[in-house]
Amino acid sequence: EVQLVESGGGVVQPGGSLRLSCAASGFTVSSNYMNWVRQAPGKGLEWVSVIYSDGDTYYADSVKGRFTISRDNSKSTLYLQMNSLRPEDTAVYYCARRWPSNWYFDLWGRGTLVTVSS
Amino acid sequence: DIQMTQSPSSVSASVGDRVTITCRASQGISSWLAWYQQKPGKAPKLLIYTASSLQSGVPSRFSGSRSGTDFSLTISSLQPEDFATYYCQQANSFPLTFGGGTKVEIK
Repeated sequence: EVQLVESGGGVVQPGGSLRLSCAASGFTVSSNYMNWVRQAPGKGLEWVSVIYSDGDTYYADSVKGRFTISRDNSKSTLYLQMNSLRPEDTAVYYCARRWPSNWYFDLWGRGTLVTVSS
Repeated sequence: DIQMTQSPSSVSASVGDRVTITCRASQGISSWLAWYQQKPGKAPKLLIYTASSLQSGVPSRFSGSRSGTDFSLTISSLQPEDFATYYCQQANSFPLTFGGGTKVEIK
């Protein structure tokens, strides 16, 4: 079955760190453009980061310099390392696969909740 | 950044009603627009891409259209399973941006 399953969310204090994981099955992570998209409680969707099939990475300005996207091809897993966390980073974090040739998201995980609070 | 403005923010409708949601881009994005459906506690689901193309498996009561920088999602005859929040997303340039969402509620 083609699916994405996120894990690693939790409660962290401001300034802390957390690493999210997204396990993929049914397709090859390294051959796709994989993304993180977040949704603050009761709010809309915000694109966070992408890793291209060639390994290039891009970030939203709101997380640049604090978050790092990566992948482990052998484990077919996507990661998001989040450092210097702020209360405004509180959100459900989804991993999402880009449509093969356009910037739409055709496969999403169920999300993992990150809460930044003292 | 390209701003996507959705309206209305919520709409109350009955089963069988025709519902139209609009999304306006702050600058030209050609037809690089998608619509997603999200139900509570679930991930978004791609419904429409490139403004008017129906994703595989999505019922034909959903349709999309474009007029300049204005985009519309229409549900021709609302079904019980369609009560959800709908988001537009521009795919023209980075950063990719979403509209604020439209909640379709039961009247």
